Amino acid sequence: DADVTQTPRNRITKTGKRIMLECSQTKGHDRMYWYRQDPGLGLRLIYYSFDVKDINKGEISDGYSVSRQAQAKFSLSLESAIPNQTALYFCAVRSAGRNADTGELFFGEGSRLTVL
Amino acid sequence: GQQLNQSPQSMFIQEGEDVSMNCTSSSIFNTWLWYKQDPGEGPVLLIALYKAGELTSNGRLTAQFGITRKDSFLNISASIPSDVGIYFCAGRPGGGADGLTFGKGTHLIIQP
Repeated sequence: DADVTQTPRNRITKTGKRIMLECSQTKGHDRMYWYRQDPGLGLRLIYYSFDVKDINKGEISDGYSVSRQAQAKFSLSLESAIPNQTALYFCAVRSAGRNADTGELFFGEGSRLTVL
Repeated sequence: GQQLNQSPQSMFIQEGEDVSMNCTSSSIFNTWLWYKQDPGEGPVLLIALYKAGELTSNGRLTAQFGITRKDSFLNISASIPSDVGIYFCAGRPGGGADGLTFGKGTHLIIQP
């Protein structure tokens, strides 16, 4: 249990609005990820971070930005939301260290975003 | 990017039946993971596989890491109503790459 908390859990907004989704974790994992889930498409990686101030693009980063100002927090922003960004967004964490990096990700409960 | 082909996309079964689903890839993975997602929640790890040929069980669940490192299967024996959900395979490539590549999921529906 990685104690990953996402806020908000649900959000409805209008096209063109700026939206921020927050993720926080309490177990000190160094790596944090944002995934997007769409029906029939599985989970696709948006951005990931290995440490504070370290940011890496994933498969579908266009239209999104992220910020990792503290180890426990990783926020996802949509500067100008559009309807095809309507989806379920998941934050995930894992640890990499001296012992075998198992690759296991621990997920938050998700943030459902609807862009009208 | 790398893609995983997960099948079947959905399964309609009777309670008590056995279930089998699999994932294949055109490229090699060093880790295979199987997750389950219940409605309104995030995916939860079921089984993790780290070696080619590895067969691992977790209760009624059994998963195998294919010998070619390009495939994996998950079996569920004697299904029960709480097995309903979406099952995802995920692979992590070697060579320092990060993040997991996910299959598109298998939606398991159990008919009364």
